[in-house]
Amino acid sequence: GAGVSQSPSNKVTEKGKDVELRCDPISGHTALYWYRQSLGQGLEFLIYFQGNSAPDKSGLPSDRFSAERTGGSVSTLTIQRTQQEDSAVYLCASSHQTGNNSPLHFGNGTRLTVT
Amino acid sequence: RKEVEQDPGPFNVPEGATVAFNCTYSNSASQSFFWYRQDCRKEPKLLMSVYSSGNEDGRFTAQLNRASQYISLLIRDSKLSDSATYLCVVPKRGNTDKLIFGTGTRLQVFP
Repeated sequence: GAGVSQSPSNKVTEKGKDVELRCDPISGHTALYWYRQSLGQGLEFLIYFQGNSAPDKSGLPSDRFSAERTGGSVSTLTIQRTQQEDSAVYLCASSHQTGNNSPLHFGNGTRLTVT
Repeated sequence: RKEVEQDPGPFNVPEGATVAFNCTYSNSASQSFFWYRQDCRKEPKLLMSVYSSGNEDGRFTAQLNRASQYISLLIRDSKLSDSATYLCVVPKRGNTDKLIFGTGTRLQVFP
């Protein structure tokens, strides 16, 4: 079946603009995660959803970042007033459920470049 | 202790060699762990899950040492195609729903 789908695959934006990144998880997966990876760095946890709710938003770097998930499926990550340090690959992953025993399935990521 | 800690490497090994990486974790309540593989400029992909004492899949063996709070990944008969970054993943201390990735160990297999 289809894997995790992210769009756009690449996004170049000017500093100060808002961007919206989309993630379409694997059908039936209730858990959805957003991570960020800067060049040559590890994965930085941003936020996760169990269904439509986000129990933990502590990973979001600032209040310019927000995410929502509707219908227990598609999620959008919005970055307002983008800054150059926001440049990174934004990875979305989904799993059957949160908790110990559910590995993550990643999308191809959105490469964001803020100029 | 950091939540997840890995030696960044790189580990440079010849084809056919056996190589092992360790990953230490701080959440003593963690029940399961994962090893992911990430190729350059690609998304991470699941390599192995570790739920009890260990797991074996072909040339790859993952072991868990709860007493010392580390997991290891052993690769036997290394192939050129094994060159990648290997990421250790554990649940966050106090929150098993949040999976934390280590910064990864880079492996380079040479001919």
